[in-house]
Amino acid sequence: GAVVSQHPSWVICKSGTSVKIECRSLDFQATTMFWYRQFPKQSLMLMATSNEGSKATYEQGVEKDKFLINHASLTLSTLTVTSAHPEDSSFYICSALLAGPTDTQYFGPGTRLTVL
Amino acid sequence: DAKTTQPTSMDCAEGRAANLPCNHSTISGNEYVYWYRQIHSQGPQYIIHGLKNNETNEMASLIITEDRKSSTLILPHATLRDTAVYYCIVRVVQEYGNKLVFGAGTILRVKS
Repeated sequence: GAVVSQHPSWVICKSGTSVKIECRSLDFQATTMFWYRQFPKQSLMLMATSNEGSKATYEQGVEKDKFLINHASLTLSTLTVTSAHPEDSSFYICSALLAGPTDTQYFGPGTRLTVL
Repeated sequence: DAKTTQPTSMDCAEGRAANLPCNHSTISGNEYVYWYRQIHSQGPQYIIHGLKNNETNEMASLIITEDRKSSTLILPHATLRDTAVYYCIVRVVQEYGNKLVFGAGTILRVKS
């Protein structure tokens, strides 16, 4: 159980275009999901906390107008990278929170974004 | 936020136990310790978590010291597929969905 999927697994886009990444919890409902970014040979960096039905909470230094997050249902959160530039190329990973006494996050497989 | 300190890398022989240490000396009384691992180019995989008692599941055992300032993740019989980056994380309490702050982790290399 506790499976999280992401789509697409990889995407290549031109500079200036927008890209949407989907994160789904397949076998549980998640009021809260998280978005991370990981550059090569670095650790995961939390970008934002996404709550169903409300605005996302962004970490310091993350531009909310550039990284649009929508959490419209209990099983789906989307991250849209707007006006992407080569420096946005990264590995984007989501996680979904399985709520309970100890709240465990389960991660998706990640999406590799390359901006040309 | 409670920080964790882990060795940069460790080697382990296949079939032997892998013991991965973690220091979290500033942990608060109600903060959990979580362990995840990440195999190259994949999302992190949940391994185990604990508060103060030792825990065991099908993947690993977690030993937490009595003062809770450090813990050890034990993979009882390491295989080549256990080669990964292992993250020890103290969960940060926030209003919505307690968050995980990833450090650099320990690169575990299991060798035949």
